[in-house]
Amino acid sequence: DTEVTQTPKHLVMGMTNKKSLKCEQHMGHRAMYWYKQKAKKPPELMFVYSYEKLSINESVPSRFSPECPNSSLLNLHLHALQPEDSALYLCASSQSSGGVQETQYFGPGTRLLVL
Amino acid sequence: QQQVKQSPQSLIVQKGGISIINCAYENTAFDYFPWYQQFPGKGPALLIAIRPDVSEKKEGRFTISFNKSAKQFSLHIMDSQPGDSATYFCAATHKAAGNKLTFGGGTRVLVKP
Repeated sequence: DTEVTQTPKHLVMGMTNKKSLKCEQHMGHRAMYWYKQKAKKPPELMFVYSYEKLSINESVPSRFSPECPNSSLLNLHLHALQPEDSALYLCASSQSSGGVQETQYFGPGTRLLVL
Repeated sequence: QQQVKQSPQSLIVQKGGISIINCAYENTAFDYFPWYQQFPGKGPALLIAIRPDVSEKKEGRFTISFNKSAKQFSLHIMDSQPGDSATYFCAATHKAAGNKLTFGGGTRVLVKP
């Protein structure tokens, strides 16, 4: 099973709301990623977790807060977002983050709209 | 130094034709070059990948050609089918990057029946 699942599929939130995006994989992968993708643009890396520890934060604003409760789950907590944060948020996983040539498996994404 | 440039931005090809997408990179430390395919409403999926010690890799109708001296690589889709209509991203990474992918800008391919 090479599936990464994400919930919800769609999310609409106001600028004062707090919401969370969830990601799950059961492939035994030890690296998990959050990406942000704007329309007609490539994915932009936000965070990398390796063995449940945050290993890369691409200078993401603090209104995005990642969490890795266990090796299968990855959350992205959202608070006080701006309309420009509207995008497709993708989760991905790979066997680990330290080796090259490790395929990243992407989920279908959560389409977020901030009003 | 981390940039990967991809062209064209969009491509229309007739069914049965060849789609060609080109990428160029600057960072000579890159040592793994995957291509991702993304359908509307879906996440990217790995299509095919190559290392710089190989000049060509073929998987079914998809072929990557790699020119290390020119720092360029390309994806050829042979016998293009309407089901190949998608956005294609080239990417590059290297050991020190910890599997961090640097993506090209993407190419939207439309295969007309």
